[in-house]
Amino acid sequence: DTGVSQNPRHKITKRGQNVTFRCDPISEHNRLYWYRQTLGQGPEFLTYFQNEAQLEKSRLLSDRFSAERPKGSFSTLEIQRTEQGDSAMYLCALRGPGLYNEQFFGPGTRLTVL
Amino acid sequence: DQQVKQNSPSLSVQEGRISILNCDYTNSMFDYFLWYKKYPAEGPTFLISISSIKDKNEDGRFTVFLNKSAKHLSLHIVPSQPGDSAVYFCAASATRTLANAGGTSYGKLTFGQGTILTVHP
Repeated sequence: DTGVSQNPRHKITKRGQNVTFRCDPISEHNRLYWYRQTLGQGPEFLTYFQNEAQLEKSRLLSDRFSAERPKGSFSTLEIQRTEQGDSAMYLCALRGPGLYNEQFFGPGTRLTVL
Repeated sequence: DQQVKQNSPSLSVQEGRISILNCDYTNSMFDYFLWYKKYPAEGPTFLISISSIKDKNEDGRFTVFLNKSAKHLSLHIVPSQPGDSAVYFCAASATRTLANAGGTSYGKLTFGQGTILTVHP
């Protein structure tokens, strides 16, 4: 148990539809990250929240992507007008208490855009 | 540009032997390095980490070695077990501010492409 749940686990959608994913930390964590992983690649950083503030965004996060973390607890990632290239595993991670930037990942949401 | 590289897509090892997974990086600002293990349909699981001020860190069967001058790190698994079969990712992060670029790092991880480890009984 990594202390973070993600829903849904799988999402199949048609191109052009909007989708929203949710990340729920089990306990209070002030640092939350979103990553995306495509087949054959390692996870790629998308965005970072410290409490409710979105402090860093990757250039991968086009204007079709938006993320929020109201009240500094759960977080949502929305993709508007999905494209086939958005098909990937979307991962949420929490910064652990260690000194070396250890992050603990949720199980991910697998998105398939048809 | 690929700042963290794992040049071996796959590795096959006999049970009980040593598994050595390699990783190279290019960004000299990286000061923390981590290894993750990933099973299909799950998120990555943290294994072990090392700071750039050290050259070795050990945790049970797992040892990570860091060669800063070569910008190279490796993960040794001894002895290897069939349950170790998974995809292994190395990752790096930079905690220092890029003063000349005015950037700030918030600890995001940069991952390699992964190495598929298969341990045969």
